[in-house]
Amino acid sequence: KAGVTQTPRYLIKTRGQQVTLSCSPISGHRSVSWYQQTPGQGLQFLFEYFSETQRNKGNFPGRFSGRQFSNSRSEMNVSTLELGDSALYLCASSHTQGLSTDTQYFGPGTRLTVL
Amino acid sequence: LAKTTQPISMDSYEGQEVNITCSHNNIATNDYITWYQQFPSQGPRFIIQGYKTKVTNEVASLFIPADRKSSTLSLPRVSLSDTAVYYCLVGDNNNNDMRFGAGTRLTVKP
Repeated sequence: KAGVTQTPRYLIKTRGQQVTLSCSPISGHRSVSWYQQTPGQGLQFLFEYFSETQRNKGNFPGRFSGRQFSNSRSEMNVSTLELGDSALYLCASSHTQGLSTDTQYFGPGTRLTVL
Repeated sequence: LAKTTQPISMDSYEGQEVNITCSHNNIATNDYITWYQQFPSQGPRFIIQGYKTKVTNEVASLFIPADRKSSTLSLPRVSLSDTAVYYCLVGDNNNNDMRFGAGTRLTVKP
């Protein structure tokens, strides 16, 4: 079974631009969560989608948004990029909603650099 | 939301057993304890999950005392490839806002 895939793997943008990242979950998984990882803040939860609905959202500004499609694929969008948005963005999928009782499988991440 | 506390870093040598303890004093009745491993520039990888007592799989063991206010991840006979960051998470199936925390950076030396 194929793992979680994320595209693109690397991205370079400039301040003020917007970016869209894509995540394809493991086949059959309906939950997709997004995380931001930086050296200073560690791994931070952005939001989770389950059956095309956002179920939970972390403490990030409205510039960060996402959506999930009927095939469970998900995208996240960051508008008006700031230098501090440079990070590794990780996507994780699980069979059901939630993290603890259902194993999450992480993708390789998209490394975004904002210049 | 249960907060977890782990040591920032640990050093070990190849072949030794490593125990990483996580404190979660305000763990709730429905909370499970899950550990993840992360290598540089990769996503975290599930290691083990438990609710109480002891859980063992082919990779590690998880010891949870009766009060569940802490848990210990045990890695038997570590190798250089076990050098990674290990995260302890606590939460239930309805709590999706999981905080990974800083994790424990384990360095295995030859």
